[in-house]
Amino acid sequence: DARVTQTPRDKVTEMGQEVTMRCQPILGHNTVFWYRQTMMQGLELLAYFRNRAPLDDSGMPKDRFSAEMPDATLATLKIQPSEPRDSAVYFCASAPGAGDGYTFGSGTRLTVV
Amino acid sequence: SQQGEEDPQALSIQEGENATMNCSYKTSINNLQWYRQNSGRGLVHLILIRSNEREKHSGRLRVTLDTSKKSSSLLITASRAADTASYFCAVRLYNDYKLSFGAGTTVTVRA
Repeated sequence: DARVTQTPRDKVTEMGQEVTMRCQPILGHNTVFWYRQTMMQGLELLAYFRNRAPLDDSGMPKDRFSAEMPDATLATLKIQPSEPRDSAVYFCASAPGAGDGYTFGSGTRLTVV
Repeated sequence: SQQGEEDPQALSIQEGENATMNCSYKTSINNLQWYRQNSGRGLVHLILIRSNEREKHSGRLRVTLDTSKKSSSLLITASRAADTASYFCAVRLYNDYKLSFGAGTTVTVRA
Protein backbone atom coordinates (compact mmCIF):
# COMPACT_ATOMS: atom_id res chain seq x y z
CA ASP A 1 0.00 0.00 0.00
CA ALA A 2 1.14 3.52 -0.74
CA ARG A 3 1.98 5.46 2.38
CA VAL A 4 2.90 8.92 3.58
CA THR A 5 6.37 8.89 5.12
CA GLN A 6 7.34 11.27 7.89
CA THR A 7 10.73 11.83 9.46
CA PRO A 8 11.89 11.92 12.16
CA ARG A 9 9.54 9.72 14.14
CA ASP A 10 10.55 11.31 17.42
CA LYS A 11 12.42 14.50 18.16
CA VAL A 12 13.54 15.90 21.50
CA THR A 13 15.09 19.34 21.35
CA GLU A 14 15.94 22.22 23.61
CA MET A 15 13.95 25.42 23.62
CA GLY A 16 15.26 27.86 21.03
CA GLN A 17 16.54 25.24 18.63
CA GLU A 18 15.35 24.88 15.04
CA VAL A 19 13.25 21.84 14.23
CA THR A 20 12.62 20.54 10.72
CA MET A 21 10.05 17.85 10.01
CA ARG A 22 9.82 16.18 6.61
CA CYS A 23 7.04 14.46 4.75
CA GLN A 24 6.97 12.43 1.56
CA PRO A 25 3.38 12.43 0.27
CA ILE A 26 1.93 9.69 -1.88
CA LEU A 27 3.00 10.02 -5.51
CA GLY A 28 0.20 11.58 -7.51
CA HIS A 29 -1.56 13.19 -4.55
CA ASN A 30 -1.84 16.90 -5.27
CA THR A 31 -3.00 18.04 -1.83
CA VAL A 32 -0.82 17.98 1.28
CA PHE A 33 -1.76 18.99 4.80
CA TRP A 34 0.13 19.53 8.05
CA TYR A 35 -1.83 18.92 11.27
CA ARG A 36 -0.81 19.19 14.91
CA GLN A 37 -2.39 16.99 17.57
CA THR A 38 -2.42 17.70 21.28
CA MET A 39 -4.60 16.43 24.11
CA MET A 40 -5.94 19.90 24.77
CA GLN A 41 -6.58 21.16 21.24
CA GLY A 42 -7.10 17.93 19.31
CA LEU A 43 -6.25 18.04 15.62
CA GLU A 44 -5.42 21.49 14.30
CA LEU A 45 -4.74 22.29 10.67
CA LEU A 46 -1.48 24.18 10.27
CA ALA A 47 -0.97 24.36 6.50
CA TYR A 48 -2.41 23.20 3.20
CA PHE A 49 -0.77 22.83 -0.20
CA ARG A 50 -2.35 22.11 -3.55
CA ASN A 51 -0.08 21.33 -6.47
CA ARG A 52 2.82 22.45 -4.22
CA ALA A 53 1.36 25.94 -3.79
CA PRO A 54 0.58 27.02 -0.22
CA LEU A 55 -3.11 27.86 -0.09
CA ASP A 56 -3.66 28.32 3.59
CA ASP A 57 -1.29 28.58 6.52
CA SER A 58 -3.57 30.62 8.74
CA GLY A 59 -3.34 27.99 11.47
CA MET A 60 0.40 28.45 11.88
CA PRO A 61 2.12 30.89 14.21
CA LYS A 62 3.76 32.90 11.44
CA ASP A 63 6.60 34.25 13.51
CA ARG A 64 8.12 30.84 14.15
CA PHE A 65 6.57 28.29 11.82
CA SER A 66 7.11 27.89 8.10
CA ALA A 67 5.91 25.24 5.66
CA GLU A 68 7.23 24.59 2.17
CA MET A 69 7.01 22.09 -0.66
CA PRO A 70 10.28 22.35 -2.58
CA ASP A 71 9.13 19.58 -4.89
CA ALA A 72 6.25 17.14 -5.30
CA THR A 73 7.96 14.49 -3.21
CA LEU A 74 8.84 16.60 -0.18
CA ALA A 75 6.97 18.84 2.24
CA THR A 76 8.72 20.44 5.20
CA LEU A 77 7.57 22.08 8.40
CA LYS A 78 10.07 24.18 10.29
CA ILE A 79 9.89 25.72 13.73
CA GLN A 80 12.47 28.36 14.62
CA PRO A 81 12.87 29.01 17.49
CA SER A 82 11.06 26.13 19.13
CA GLU A 83 9.20 26.56 22.42
CA PRO A 84 7.90 24.04 24.99
CA ARG A 85 4.31 24.78 23.92
CA ASP A 86 5.17 23.41 20.47
CA SER A 87 5.42 19.92 21.99
CA ALA A 88 2.86 17.83 20.09
CA VAL A 89 2.52 15.18 17.43
CA TYR A 90 2.75 16.65 13.95
CA PHE A 91 1.03 14.80 11.15
CA CYS A 92 1.37 15.15 7.42
CA ALA A 93 -1.48 13.92 5.23
CA SER A 94 -1.99 13.77 1.49
CA ALA A 95 -5.01 13.20 -0.75
CA PRO A 96 -5.71 12.94 -4.48
CA GLY A 97 -7.93 16.00 -4.19
CA ALA A 98 -9.23 18.26 -1.45
CA GLY A 99 -12.55 16.43 -1.15
CA ASP A 100 -11.09 12.94 -0.91
CA GLY A 101 -10.10 10.86 2.09
CA TYR A 102 -6.69 11.68 3.52
CA THR A 103 -3.78 9.31 4.01
CA PHE A 104 -1.90 10.25 7.16
CA GLY A 105 1.71 9.63 8.00
CA SER A 106 2.73 8.10 11.32
CA GLY A 107 3.56 11.52 12.72
CA THR A 108 6.55 13.21 14.34
CA ARG A 109 6.36 13.37 18.10
CA LEU A 110 8.09 16.61 19.10
CA THR A 111 9.18 17.33 22.64
CA VAL A 112 10.70 20.73 23.37
CA VAL A 113 12.38 20.94 26.76
CA SER B 1 -13.41 25.71 15.61
CA GLN B 2 -14.38 22.08 15.64
CA GLN B 3 -17.27 21.41 13.31
CA GLY B 4 -17.64 17.72 14.03
CA GLU B 5 -18.40 16.74 17.61
CA GLU B 6 -18.45 13.10 18.60
CA ASP B 7 -20.57 11.48 21.24
CA PRO B 8 -19.85 9.70 23.51
CA GLN B 9 -16.31 10.74 24.42
CA ALA B 10 -15.55 7.19 25.52
CA LEU B 11 -17.15 3.79 25.05
CA SER B 12 -16.30 0.43 26.60
CA ILE B 13 -17.86 -2.74 25.22
CA GLN B 14 -17.42 -6.50 25.30
CA GLU B 15 -15.94 -8.29 22.33
CA GLY B 16 -18.70 -9.32 19.96
CA GLU B 17 -20.97 -6.42 20.86
CA ASN B 18 -21.81 -3.56 18.54
CA ALA B 19 -20.38 -0.08 19.06
CA THR B 20 -22.21 3.05 17.99
CA MET B 21 -20.86 6.57 18.03
CA ASN B 22 -22.38 9.77 16.78
CA CYS B 23 -21.14 12.96 15.17
CA SER B 24 -22.95 16.27 15.00
CA TYR B 25 -22.00 19.30 12.95
CA LYS B 26 -23.24 22.84 12.56
CA THR B 27 -23.41 23.89 8.91
CA SER B 28 -23.96 22.40 5.45
CA ILE B 29 -21.36 19.90 4.40
CA ASN B 30 -19.93 18.51 1.20
CA ASN B 31 -18.97 15.24 2.80
CA LEU B 32 -18.32 13.62 6.17
CA GLN B 33 -15.52 11.18 6.86
CA TRP B 34 -14.66 8.78 9.67
CA TYR B 35 -11.11 7.96 10.73
CA ARG B 36 -9.57 5.55 13.23
CA GLN B 37 -6.44 6.21 15.26
CA ASN B 38 -4.67 3.50 17.19
CA SER B 39 -2.54 4.60 20.10
CA GLY B 40 0.69 6.22 18.91
CA ARG B 41 -0.21 5.95 15.24
CA GLY B 42 -1.53 8.14 12.46
CA LEU B 43 -5.17 8.38 11.47
CA VAL B 44 -6.56 5.84 9.06
CA HIS B 45 -9.39 6.75 6.69
CA LEU B 46 -12.37 4.44 7.16
CA ILE B 47 -15.25 5.75 5.10
CA LEU B 48 -16.49 8.86 3.29
CA ILE B 49 -20.16 9.68 2.91
CA ARG B 50 -21.33 12.50 0.66
CA SER B 51 -24.11 14.91 1.53
CA ASN B 52 -26.49 13.27 -0.94
CA GLU B 53 -25.94 9.81 0.53
CA ARG B 54 -27.77 8.39 3.53
CA GLU B 55 -25.92 5.17 4.32
CA LYS B 56 -22.68 3.42 3.42
CA HIS B 57 -21.18 0.12 4.40
CA SER B 58 -17.61 -1.12 4.52
CA GLY B 59 -17.05 -4.55 6.02
CA ARG B 60 -18.25 -4.39 9.63
CA LEU B 61 -18.71 -0.62 9.45
CA ARG B 62 -21.99 1.12 8.76
CA VAL B 63 -22.23 4.89 8.47
CA THR B 64 -25.43 6.87 8.28
CA LEU B 65 -25.90 10.54 7.51
CA ASP B 66 -28.94 12.64 8.35
CA THR B 67 -28.43 16.09 6.86
CA SER B 68 -31.71 17.38 8.30
CA LYS B 69 -30.40 16.68 11.80
CA LYS B 70 -26.81 17.49 10.86
CA SER B 71 -25.63 14.23 12.33
CA SER B 72 -23.91 11.00 11.40
CA SER B 73 -23.40 7.70 13.15
CA LEU B 74 -20.72 5.03 12.88
CA LEU B 75 -21.68 1.49 13.81
CA ILE B 76 -19.06 -1.20 14.28
CA THR B 77 -20.68 -4.63 14.35
CA ALA B 78 -19.30 -7.71 16.11
CA SER B 79 -16.46 -5.74 17.68
CA ARG B 80 -13.01 -7.21 18.17
CA ALA B 81 -10.16 -6.32 20.49
CA ALA B 82 -8.36 -4.89 17.45
CA ASP B 83 -11.13 -2.28 17.11
CA THR B 84 -9.84 -0.61 20.28
CA ALA B 85 -8.91 2.87 19.06
CA SER B 86 -10.06 6.47 18.87
CA TYR B 87 -12.57 7.25 16.15
CA PHE B 88 -12.85 10.71 14.63
CA CYS B 89 -15.42 12.26 12.38
CA ALA B 90 -14.32 15.01 10.02
CA VAL B 91 -16.48 17.30 7.96
CA ARG B 92 -15.76 19.11 4.75
CA LEU B 93 -17.94 22.15 4.51
CA TYR B 94 -19.32 23.53 1.28
CA ASN B 95 -16.99 26.13 -0.25
CA ASP B 96 -14.15 24.88 1.90
CA TYR B 97 -11.21 22.72 1.03
CA LYS B 98 -10.18 21.32 4.37
CA LEU B 99 -11.48 18.79 6.86
CA SER B 100 -12.39 19.85 10.38
CA PHE B 101 -11.94 17.06 12.90
CA GLY B 102 -13.87 16.41 16.07
CA ALA B 103 -12.32 15.48 19.40
CA GLY B 104 -12.91 11.78 18.88
CA THR B 105 -14.56 8.85 20.64
CA THR B 106 -12.26 6.43 22.47
CA VAL B 107 -13.50 2.87 22.07
CA THR B 108 -12.24 0.06 24.28
CA VAL B 109 -13.20 -3.49 23.36
CA ARG B 110 -12.79 -5.89 26.27
CA ALA B 111 -11.86 -9.49 25.57
